[in-house]
Amino acid sequence: GAGVSQSPSNKVTEKGKDVELRCDPISGHTALYWYRQSLGQGLEFLIYFQGNSAPDKSGLPSDRFSAERTGGSVSTLTIQRTQQEDSAVYLCASSLGWGPYEQYFGPGTRLTVT
Amino acid sequence: AQSVTQLDSQVPVFEEAPVELRCNYSSSVSVYLFWYVQYPNQGLQLLLKYLSGSTLVKGINGFEAEFNKSQTSFHLRKPSVHISDTAEYFCAAIAGGTSYGKLTFGQGTILTVHP
Repeated sequence: GAGVSQSPSNKVTEKGKDVELRCDPISGHTALYWYRQSLGQGLEFLIYFQGNSAPDKSGLPSDRFSAERTGGSVSTLTIQRTQQEDSAVYLCASSLGWGPYEQYFGPGTRLTVT
Repeated sequence: AQSVTQLDSQVPVFEEAPVELRCNYSSSVSVYLFWYVQYPNQGLQLLLKYLSGSTLVKGINGFEAEFNKSQTSFHLRKPSVHISDTAEYFCAAIAGGTSYGKLTFGQGTILTVHP
């Protein structure tokens, strides 16, 4: 079946612009996660959703970052007023539920802020 | 907070040799452990996981790992590597409590298999 998909695969934006990153999880997966992978910080957790609610936003690095999930499916990560330190690969994952389930990862969106 | 430490940032090895990638985690009442692999320009793929039960877990592609509670370790091993095993490997943990479900990753180990 179809895996987790993310779009766009690459995004180049100018400093100060807003960007939206999209994630389509595996059908039937109720939990969805956003992670960020960068050279300096490694892989770090940003936010997770159970259904449409986000009980844990602890990993969002600043209030410029926000995310939503609609219909228990597609999620959008929005970064406002992008900064150069936001450059990274943003990974989305989904799982059957919240807990020690296998998380299936998408290919990521590579964001470059110039 | 949960932390995961991968002791080697890079491991070079010759084809058909054995390999061990080391991982230590911070102690927690309950912890679940994973190894993921990332091939160049690809997403993360689960190799194996430890949830409970037998401390020796077997995964895909001939990899296995042993959960050692007293040493808080979860080292990954393969008895004979192939060129195609060249990739970056990540150890990760899920702790119980309020972090339940959130993966905490180690810094990664780049495995390079030479012919």
